[in-house]
Amino acid sequence: LAKTTQPISMDSYEGQEVNITCSHNNIATNDYITWYQQFPSQGPRFIIQGYKTKVTNEVASLFIPADRKSSTLSLPRVSLSDTAVYYCLVGDTGRRALTFGSGTRLQVQP
Amino acid sequence: GAVVSQHPSWVICKSGTSVKIECRSLDFQATTMFWYRQFPKQSLMLMATSNEGSKATYEQGVEKDKFLINHASLTLSTLTVTSAHPEDSSFYICSAPGETQETQYFGPGTRLLVL
Repeated sequence: LAKTTQPISMDSYEGQEVNITCSHNNIATNDYITWYQQFPSQGPRFIIQGYKTKVTNEVASLFIPADRKSSTLSLPRVSLSDTAVYYCLVGDTGRRALTFGSGTRLQVQP
Repeated sequence: GAVVSQHPSWVICKSGTSVKIECRSLDFQATTMFWYRQFPKQSLMLMATSNEGSKATYEQGVEKDKFLINHASLTLSTLTVTSAHPEDSSFYICSAPGETQETQYFGPGTRLLVL
């Protein structure tokens, strides 16, 4: 899996939009970009996945520029319950074991 | 969506004893499952790949005789921590590829505390 780089931590307030950017300069042509969310003492949870341009679901949006060397996870109007660690992974994340980076620890305050 | 369960959710044991952790895919079959370990404030680290009907493959540095993996059916993989020591205390998480092959589904994790 391609190596990823993302901020170690971010702080936000309730109601704000949070954007977490992940760099993946060595992404391969067939690689997908996948984001997971992990709450303390729980297993990671799939948030969103994309290949190019923009993907949106009920939880988040994923923006991927044309060169695909980075991606941005956008969480609209965060709440306290969005406090978690967010992991960006790149590759064939379905069938193969995942290599987790350090993730981004998001702290949402009232 | 697909669900992966783990049992127990937490366990406390004495040093030297063995502990078995179960990972089940509840509504889908998984010929492959993955086992991860996570220490406090750290990321998930892959321990081994569990393969139904064959031997597990272990990551470098993971003792296969200490962490026994058995994938006896298409819905169950077990991880047995043998002769557990306090340094084995950690959060153990399993995952399985989903039917769509686009993502993986993670279990809720098992917290192990060895006294």
